[in-house]
Amino acid sequence: GAVVSQHPSRVICKSGTSVKIECRSLDFQATTMFWYRQFPKQSLMLMATSNEGSKATYEQGVEKDKFLINHASLTLSTLTVTSAHPEDSSFYICSAWEGNTEAFFGQGTRLTVV
Amino acid sequence: GQNIDQPTEMTATEGAIVQINCTYQTSGFNGLFWYQQHAGEAPTFLSYNVLDGLEEKGRFSSFLSRSKGYSYLLLKELQMKDSASYLCAVRDGDYKLSFGAGTTVTVRA
Repeated sequence: GAVVSQHPSRVICKSGTSVKIECRSLDFQATTMFWYRQFPKQSLMLMATSNEGSKATYEQGVEKDKFLINHASLTLSTLTVTSAHPEDSSFYICSAWEGNTEAFFGQGTRLTVV
Repeated sequence: GQNIDQPTEMTATEGAIVQINCTYQTSGFNGLFWYQQHAGEAPTFLSYNVLDGLEEKGRFSSFLSRSKGYSYLLLKELQMKDSASYLCAVRDGDYKLSFGAGTTVTVRA
């Protein structure tokens, strides 16, 4: 079946630094990918829609200058958390649709900002 | 906006049946999905409904009533490994998924 691979699975960074998270569709092309954030014991909240070859569209309340999204190819989207702070610590997950009925999720990235 | 409600927690005995209800009020509807998520892991797909009625898939079944904005996930013959969070999600016309807060199911021996 289709696979979405996300890297890294865990990252610890110092406050003020930037972190890049990669999301790849391994055996299908994804013109659109989605980035979610999940805080402990809460559900997934959509952050932004990543569009290949064009600008990402951000959900209300999500700072586009802080969460930079690049979708340079049909199989790769990246999310960069810039100037990270402890409140950005969360579980970040990407997803892509393969066909009409199934969204495949990456393994998730546990970001801890210290 | 999107409003998706499901119970916070449910507990059941191994071998039993549990039904998780989900009600939704959304600005667009293009399918309802159920996902299973274990702590610290990504969600895994369980079922998809776009038309009214029941979809059965092994031990799991899902029902949808679009006119009532209602769905349920039925888990039969519960096993210990079914202990997880179950997420109800509605897809809109832009293929965005809006998730409920999730129902934590605990299966006891």
